[in-house]
Amino acid sequence: NAGVMQNPRHLVRRRGQEARLRCSPMKGHSHVYWYRQLPEEGLKFMVYLQKENIIDESGMPKERFSAEFPKEGPSILRIQQVVRGDSAAYFCASSRAQVGPNTGELFFGEGSRLTVL
Amino acid sequence: DQQVKQNSPSLSVQEGRISILNCDYTNSMFDYFLWYKKYPAEGPTFLISISSIKDKNEDGRFTVFLNKSAKHLSLHIVPSQPGDSAVYFCAATLKAAGNKLTFGGGTRVLVKP
Repeated sequence: NAGVMQNPRHLVRRRGQEARLRCSPMKGHSHVYWYRQLPEEGLKFMVYLQKENIIDESGMPKERFSAEFPKEGPSILRIQQVVRGDSAAYFCASSRAQVGPNTGELFFGEGSRLTVL
Repeated sequence: DQQVKQNSPSLSVQEGRISILNCDYTNSMFDYFLWYKKYPAEGPTFLISISSIKDKNEDGRFTVFLNKSAKHLSLHIVPSQPGDSAVYFCAATLKAAGNKLTFGGGTRVLVKP
């Protein structure tokens, strides 16, 4: 399977615990994006990373959320001290290059569904 | 501030007829627009896109129309098939500001056999 791989698919955490979501981009893709979908809403941009660099984190909450895309290994979205409002589907996407005409589009993973009890 | 809006949360259409999905945006700087289709418990999959320098793009049963003066785009699916039943998201991006897509809230399409 050469698609965007996310794990875990489902994660249950109690309030105050930490959640770690992992994303392996498609082969050959060096651009990774994280989006969040709250129930009954559209996808909201969180962060855009390239290897070892955060390019745009304008959609990330200022506290408790962090993301990385190390030189080796998957991208990680980390949520510390989770609260019930963090319950959502978190989608990772990757692209070969900047999205735009003739340069391809984002390919999404199947998402990680976080439930905070 | 919702820059991309899909005002119809749902749409029901008979198999074989045309489905028309609408999307409005407020940021006139957006220069690339995309439609994604999403099944339950799956990630969005790319459907079709259009550059702001065009007003129409066609791919098989799917056609996207862009009216820049009205800041409006639409997706036509004809003929609609039961397998088209899904949630459709329009998205827009501003090349100069990076790669992030701004999504609408989605339209749930049900194609009845």
